[in-house]
Parts: sequence; C-alpha cells; structure tokens
Amino acid sequence: QLQLQESGPGLVKPSETLSLTCIVSGGSISSKTHYWGWIRQPPGKGLEWIGNIYYTGSAYYNPSLKSRATISLDTSKNQFSLKLSSMTAADTAVYYCARDRKVETGFDYWGQGILVTVSS
Amino acid sequence: DIQMTQSPSSVSASVGDRVTITCRASQSISSWLAWYQQKPGEAPKLLIYAASSLQSGVPSRFSGSGSGTTFTLTISSLQPEDFATYYCQLANSFPWTFGQGTKVEIK
Repeated sequence: QLQLQESGPGLVKPSETLSLTCIVSGGSISSKTHYWGWIRQPPGKGLEWIGNIYYTGSAYYNPSLKSRATISLDTSKNQFSLKLSSMTAADTAVYYCARDRKVETGFDYWGQGILVTVSS
Repeated sequence: DIQMTQSPSSVSASVGDRVTITCRASQSISSWLAWYQQKPGEAPKLLIYAASSLQSGVPSRFSGSGSGTTFTLTISSLQPEDFATYYCQLANSFPWTFGQGTKVEIK
C-alpha cells in the first residue's frame, strides 16, 4: 500500500523559505506512470495546486506562485521536496503531497498534510 | 489558464436525497476532470476520474458525467458519511486547477 508522509517545520518566519519533504513508501517515485505533486489549503479555504514533478525531473508549477516554488526529486531516498521562497502570512496553509496518475489522471494517494504557519 | 467554476457553493440535503454538483470549465477540457471528497481534518479522497470513471473502492451511489465544459457529480442517495466538501479538478493540461468547492450539509 502506497503511503506518503510530509515532513518539515510547522512555523516559518515571513520572508524565509519553506522546505518540505514528502517521503514515499510502498512504491517508487521513479514510476513512469505517475507525477508527484504538492497541493495546499489555507485554513477554511479551498485547494490550490502548487506543482507536479515527473521522474525525469520535469516540473510544472502554478503560475500564481510567481516562480517562488521549486519541486525536486531524490530518487535515492524515494522522496520529493518543495521549496517555497519569500513566505508571507498568505502562505499559511495545510500542505499536502500526493501521487498524480499520468494516464487516468487524478491524485489517488495523499499524505496526511502538514500545517505551516507563517509568523514572526 | 482555464478557470473552473463550481456550483452551488453549499447545499443542504437530507439522508436519501439525490444531490448534484456542477463544475464548468472556461474552455473545453474534453473529459479531463476529477472529483474529490474532503471531510474536516482529512486529506481529499479521489472519487471520480476522467469525468465519469469511478475510482476503485468508491460506492456506486457516486457518479460523474459530462464532457467539454460542463460536468456533474451526482450522489444518488445521500448517506450520513457523505456530508463533506466536494471539489472538481481540471486535469487536461498544466496548470491544474481546483473548483472552489461545494459543501454538502445536513438539512
């Protein structure tokens, strides 16, 4: 059974860079039939797609984040990561990592989510 | 970028009711649409993919239809565990976009 687990700080200061990692178990991030993605949800609000990465390293981002996001893979550790720079209070959210199917589409496996608060 | 408009934003319904949620795309996305259910404090759960295909393990009272720009999620007979928020998601070309969400509440 595939499992994803987010890890990282729960509190980040304004202007700093957030670094989150998603550890994948029960499956390989080198899969040719899946993307690996990050999605966030501000408290009480809807879902926002941040970006996806493919096993080749090709990454796709939400243009609304204005190039602040970087997603990378570490195949040796079977994990992928998100860096989001210039954090502000508007970036306070639950951050989820998830597996996205390349063919049938849809995020079919999700991590439990990690709440990241931006505050000094 | 393609915009997704979901309606209604909330609906009050009773157990046993039929509930329909609509998602409209600003341009044709063929059948590249997914639907999710999210309960408070939980990660979203994939219900429907490719507009009308039921994800494994999802009860058959959930169904999806539509193509092009207009899509619907139907719950044929609402059960107590179905009270949740539902989201559609564009999945034809990046950037992916989620609808604003529809909260299904107890009447």
